[in-house]
Amino acid sequence: GENVEQHPSTLSVQEGDSAVIKCTYSDSASNYFPWYKQELGKRPQLIIDIRSNVGEKKDQRIAVTLNKTAKHFSLHITETQPEDSAVYFCAASAGGYQKVTFGIGTKLQVIP
Amino acid sequence: SAVISQKPSRDICQRGTSLTIQCQVDSQVTMMFWYRQQPGQSLTLIATANQGSEATYESGFVIDKFPISRPNLTFSTLTVSNMSPEDSSIYLCSVDPGNTEAFFGQGTRLTVV
Repeated sequence: GENVEQHPSTLSVQEGDSAVIKCTYSDSASNYFPWYKQELGKRPQLIIDIRSNVGEKKDQRIAVTLNKTAKHFSLHITETQPEDSAVYFCAASAGGYQKVTFGIGTKLQVIP
Repeated sequence: SAVISQKPSRDICQRGTSLTIQCQVDSQVTMMFWYRQQPGQSLTLIATANQGSEATYESGFVIDKFPISRPNLTFSTLTVSNMSPEDSSIYLCSVDPGNTEAFFGQGTRLTVV
């Protein structure tokens, strides 16, 4: 089955700096890579996703890159703000209603 | 998108008892998924529930411990049976309404004492 590895497990940045979270996956059949943000006590919320036919996707301060050959994908948050503090999960899926496998999560702390 | 109503939102249960968690979706969905999130951990898939057939369980999870019902395309239940303190977790249902992102219910925070 799919195995998703994520690092770092914790990340502290100064407000305004950039944050990068990296993930690798093992199943070459995976073609859908969502990123979720989970604030304390709340459900995971999708913040951005990318499919395997795209190398990069950007949405305001958030961007995701995918290297399908190397089987890794990354989340980039620029100009970080205190409200970006949360746990971020990367995930992978083969699509077609297949299950989603999650990474271990990265606890991001943005220091004002 | 999909709106998912999950209940109860939290419960404190005695060991040896069972709790049934309900998940209601505002539209028909093919697949419903049940996840467990232990404190400070990631989401681990328990099982996939299809309407009209038995749920498919992931390694480490068995039907006797986590029976699942899926009576129609908008509803599912997960029962945590014969609970022990190790079952204390957040349980989340999830749907994939159109082969896009997975939407989550608000979760059920279970504490077993």
